[in-house]
Amino acid sequence: DAGVTQSPTHLIKTRGQHVTLRCSPISGHKSVSWYQQVLGQGPQFIFQYYEKEERGRGNFPDRFSARQFPNYSSELNVNALLLGDSALYLCASSPGLHSGNTIYFGEGSWLTVV
Amino acid sequence: AQRVTQPEKLLSVFKGAPVELKCNYSYSGSPELFWYVQYSRQRLQLLLRHISRESIKGFTADLNKGETSFHLKKPFAQEEDSAMYYCALSGGTSYGKLTFGQGTILTVHP
Repeated sequence: DAGVTQSPTHLIKTRGQHVTLRCSPISGHKSVSWYQQVLGQGPQFIFQYYEKEERGRGNFPDRFSARQFPNYSSELNVNALLLGDSALYLCASSPGLHSGNTIYFGEGSWLTVV
Repeated sequence: AQRVTQPEKLLSVFKGAPVELKCNYSYSGSPELFWYVQYSRQRLQLLLRHISRESIKGFTADLNKGETSFHLKKPFAQEEDSAMYYCALSGGTSYGKLTFGQGTILTVHP
């Protein structure tokens, strides 16, 4: 099993631009979550999707959006990039929303905004 | 609001010494607590969860609801335990939404 895969692994964007990050969950997993990890801090929850519906949203501005596709893959979109958006963006997947499901993380996408 | 606090950013011990990584949480209901570990150049992975009450790689953690703590312990640290450790909480109906602490870098010296 390939595990949770994310693309791209690294990217550099300019302030004001838009970015799309992609995530493929582990086969059979229907829940996908996104986290932002700023250097020196723990991951911070952005979104959770389950069966293509948004099930949770963290304290992030409307510039952040996401969606989940019929094959359960997901995209995270960030508009009007700011320098402070520079971070590691982690995708996580789990079979469902039940206690006892293990949440698996991808290796992340490193975003640098200049 | 839920919050996880890991008071130590860095922790250094010698091989064979006991190690304890502290984690305190704030949550009004019945949370699920986890320890995640990230070894050098590897992805974040689950180490253990309180509901399993199991020992993984010699590590154990007991949920103390009175003290709202979930400290991670190992009686004899090994060099391969050197890593970043995150305590995380999932609460109520928002399973899958993890709240992480800031992490503790554990270094085990030979």
